[in-house]
Parts: sequence; structure tokens; C-alpha cells
Amino acid sequence: EILMTQSPATLSVSPGERVTLSCRASQSVGTKLGWYQQQPGQAPRLLIYGASTRATGVPARFSGSGSGTEFTLTISSLQAEDSAVYYCQQYDKWPPFTFGPGTKVDIK
Amino acid sequence: QVTLRESGPALVKPTQTLTLTCTFSGFSLSTGGMSINWIRQPPGKALEWLARIDWDDDKYQTPSLGMRLVVSKDTSKNQVFLTLTNMDPLDTGTYYCARAVGYGLDAFDTWGQGTMVTVSS
Repeated sequence: EILMTQSPATLSVSPGERVTLSCRASQSVGTKLGWYQQQPGQAPRLLIYGASTRATGVPARFSGSGSGTEFTLTISSLQAEDSAVYYCQQYDKWPPFTFGPGTKVDIK
Repeated sequence: QVTLRESGPALVKPTQTLTLTCTFSGFSLSTGGMSINWIRQPPGKALEWLARIDWDDDKYQTPSLGMRLVVSKDTSKNQVFLTLTNMDPLDTGTYYCARAVGYGLDAFDTWGQGTMVTVSS
């Protein structure tokens, strides 16, 4: 089973600032990596798939990069509605599909 | 428009069997590559993938639940079912179904709103 880790666990950021979230896989997953946003009380929403492709309707301020074991989700200019927990997920070697523990982004 | 909706009991007793239904629209599970996945989330915790059923009836599940979990489908009714036996308070959480379109695009592109299940006597 591939173990996914994320850092930091939480961060507090002012609106307009750039945010960088990290995700690491315990072994290479190529670019079979997705990022999900879960706002409070809501279901997760796919933001990024294939490590760097934005899902339909996702604002351009969200971008993903990386391959192998190291991945990054960047929010170029944080908006108030971006307050959420962000999860990465690998879908290269499954079952099981595995998620990271999440990074909580708070707005200052 | 692709939509999914989970339904089932909100409260089950320990040792009972849970059956959840995922009813979907906007696509067909008979389309090549399509799959429906079940994911759960204990309160305040991370997401855990449970099971997947493919368009061709291939099935996959997390090893951690062993023989407790069964996934099935009724393609004609656009429904997928999750059965989890011998429920325990540790199974408490929100259960989601989500679609993947497959052929390498196995990220979960559309999710249901989730259904909260509490296991308590």
C-alpha cells in the first residue's frame, strides 16, 4: 500500500497571499495524483488530476506540479472561499487508492 | 449533468449490517471505463477509500475490511450498493460515492453529498 503524507498539517494565510501545499508518496506514482478540496460540511471536490491538470470549472489560481514521489498544489492568490482541507490521492497502484491526511488552510 | 446521491440509514446498531445505495444520473455505468467508488470519512478525520465497482462488474476493495464489505450494482436502475456487515462504532462516519471515468483517469471527478452513518446501541 502506498502511504501518502502531506505538509504542513495546517496553515493560516492572508487573502491574496500565495499558498504552497506539499504531498509525498512512499513510492513513485508517476503523475497519477489528484488534489481535492473539501470545504466545511461539504463533499470533496476534484481540483487537479494527472498531477497538473485542472478539473472542469476549477479557477486558474489553482495549479499542481510534480511527479514520482513529490507533488505540490499552489494557490497563487488565496481567496476567502479557499478556506478548506486539501487532500492528495494516488491512483497509480491500487487497490487501495490512498489519500493523504490533508492540509487545512485557514484564512487570517 | 452528472450527479450522485447516497442513501441509507443514519443509525445502525453494533453487529448489524449496513446497506447504502448510490443513485446516479448523467452517465451510464455500462460505459467502458466507468466506475463507482465508495469512500468514507470518520468525523474530523481523513478520507478512506473502501471499494470500487467497474462498468464490467470487476470489483475491488480495501484489504482492511476483509470479508465484511460487498459492493454490487444494478446498472438498469443506475444504482450501486455497499454492504458492510458486523458494524462497529469505529465505522461511524460520512460515506460518499464518487465516479471515476477510468482508462488512466481514475481520479474521482464527481462525488455525492455523502450520508452520515452513526453506529451506536
